Amino acid sequence: EVQLVESGGGLVQPGGSLRLSCAASGFTFSNYWMHWVRQAPGKGLVWVSRIKTDGSTKVYADSVKGRFTISRDNAKNTLYLQMNSLRAEDTALYYCVRDLDWKMDSWGQGTLVTVSS
Amino acid sequence: QSALTQPPSASGSPGQSVTISCTGTSSDVGAYNHVSWYQQHPGKAPKLVIYDVSKRPSGVPDRFSGSKSGNTASLTVSGLQAEDEADYYCSSYAGSNIPCVFGTGTKVTVL
Repeated sequence: EVQLVESGGGLVQPGGSLRLSCAASGFTFSNYWMHWVRQAPGKGLVWVSRIKTDGSTKVYADSVKGRFTISRDNAKNTLYLQMNSLRAEDTALYYCVRDLDWKMDSWGQGTLVTVSS
Repeated sequence: QSALTQPPSASGSPGQSVTISCTGTSSDVGAYNHVSWYQQHPGKAPKLVIYDVSKRPSGVPDRFSGSKSGNTASLTVSGLQAEDEADYYCSSYAGSNIPCVFGTGTKVTVL
């Protein structure tokens, strides 16, 4: 069974940093592109970032470019999102998502990030 | 990249059909056949119900169907059931630098 378990969320002050992790199991992690998608409270889904199977290609939404960094450790079956210079508008539930041929076929349960003073 | 446009709400009685539109541009929905639909129940993670415009993942009932015409994709839920009440989001591939743009979301209510 495919499992994606996010962790690392919490309360952080504006301008602060946080690193999210996503532990993958039940599939060959190194074979799949992966995404981070976020959802602000009561709002819609927003794509954040994607990383290639070997970590060589990374793309970001304009809203996080230069502040967030996606990475992965295939030996540990783990996806990461390093978030710096956090803003109030980054407050959201962050989902780790598996990509299978341009479709997001498996989602974690999310980890909540709250940016507030 | 702007979000794809969906109606905020849609509704139907049990057994009826409801169709949700998803309007993009010639750079996303109109350019690629990688349109997906996701169902999200309150407090739950999204679930893939349609991919590549009209394909259903294993386990998704055939009551769910998808189509596309030009820059607009559509999701139809036939034979509405109480458990279909949820938020639905479309998404489209928009190129290697924008691999995903989501729709604004539609709340489906079963009357």
